[in-house]
Amino acid sequence: KAGVTQTPRYLIKTRGQQVTLSCSFISGHRSVSWYQQTPGQGLQFLFEYFSETQRNKGNFPGRFSGRQFSNSRSEMNVSTLELGDSALYLCASSLEGGGWSYEQYFGPGTRLTVT
Amino acid sequence: GEDVEQSLFLSVREGDSSVINCTYTDSSSTYLYWYKQEPGAGLQLLTYIFSNMDMKQDQRLTVLLNKKDKHLSLRIADTQTGDSAIYFCAESMGDKIIFGKGTRLHILP
Repeated sequence: KAGVTQTPRYLIKTRGQQVTLSCSFISGHRSVSWYQQTPGQGLQFLFEYFSETQRNKGNFPGRFSGRQFSNSRSEMNVSTLELGDSALYLCASSLEGGGWSYEQYFGPGTRLTVT
Repeated sequence: GEDVEQSLFLSVREGDSSVINCTYTDSSSTYLYWYKQEPGAGLQLLTYIFSNMDMKQDQRLTVLLNKKDKHLSLRIADTQTGDSAIYFCAESMGDKIIFGKGTRLHILP
């Protein structure tokens, strides 16, 4: 089966701008999650969508939002970018999500640099 | 609180066994996982263990779980250059999953 892909792979934005990152995940998977990875904080959970509804949310401000579409796509949006938003953003999908056998399949990530 | 701790670096000679350790704090964890991240790639699930198991073996990988000490380890037998990566320990409970900061495994020739 096809894996998880993310576009773009690299992105440079200016502070104050907004950005939308895209993810195409595995067909048939109902859960998609987004993570922020930085050297200092490691991998932090942003949010999870299940059947197009947000099911879980991490401790990130409201500037971070997401969507899941019925065609195995998801988007993540960050408004009013700050320098600290520079990170690798990872998308991951799983059949059901949740704590029951949380076998997630990750994309390669989008590296966002905010200047 | 919830936390997953790992040492940041490990160097191992090619052909030796690598043992990557992890401690976690939440005793209600359902599953514990090991993920591998190679440069420029996302995380790849290597193996996972249910919290009522002590050990799981899968080819060169052995996972040991000590629930009493909340300690998880991943042993890679006959370490190869292709094993060079960052290894993440993670625990899940309910609808949440918590990752450690990763252990960078460096292979010495």
